[in-house]
Amino acid sequence: EAGVTQSPTHLIKTRGQQATLRCSPISGHTSVYWYQQALGLGLQFLLWYDEGEERNRGNFPPRFSGRQFPNYSSELNVNALELEDSALYLCASSPNQGQGNEKLFFGSGTQLSVL
Amino acid sequence: AQRVTQPEKLLSVFKGAPVELKCNYSYSGSPELFWYVQYSRQRLQLLLRHISRESIKGFTADLNKGETSFHLKKPFAQEEDSAMYYCALRGYSGYSTLTFGKGTMLLVSP
Repeated sequence: EAGVTQSPTHLIKTRGQQATLRCSPISGHTSVYWYQQALGLGLQFLLWYDEGEERNRGNFPPRFSGRQFPNYSSELNVNALELEDSALYLCASSPNQGQGNEKLFFGSGTQLSVL
Repeated sequence: AQRVTQPEKLLSVFKGAPVELKCNYSYSGSPELFWYVQYSRQRLQLLLRHISRESIKGFTADLNKGETSFHLKKPFAQEEDSAMYYCALRGYSGYSTLTFGKGTMLLVSP
């Protein structure tokens, strides 16, 4: 079974540009989560999509946005990039709508570097 | 608000020694607690969850609601246990999401 796949693996942008990160969940999973893993800060929750809808959002500015497509894949868009956006962005999927104890399956991440 | 605290950034032990990775949480209701692990060059993956009351790879964790803790324990550490360990919490309110601690790096030396 294929796991959660993320692309690209690495992304280099300059300040002010836009970045688009992509995630394909495990087949059959409807929920997709995005996390930011910045150095020293651990995993910070960004966004949660399920059945095409945004279900929850972390404490990030509006320039962090995303969407989920009918095939449950997802995009994370970061506009007006700032140096502090440099981080590993992890996508995770789960099979149902966050009922409490289902586990998350993580991708390998996209390393975003903002110069 | 839900918060997870892992007070140690690094825990270094010798092979065969007992291990305890500390995790404290803050949540007003009854949370669901998890331990996730990331081995070198591998993806972050679930190790165990409190609701299952299971022992995985010799690790156990007991939810102590009085002390709001969910410490991860193993009686005899192995070198292959060296990894980054994250404690995580999910509340039961509506669309609650998984909140992670900052992680503890466990280093087991021979």
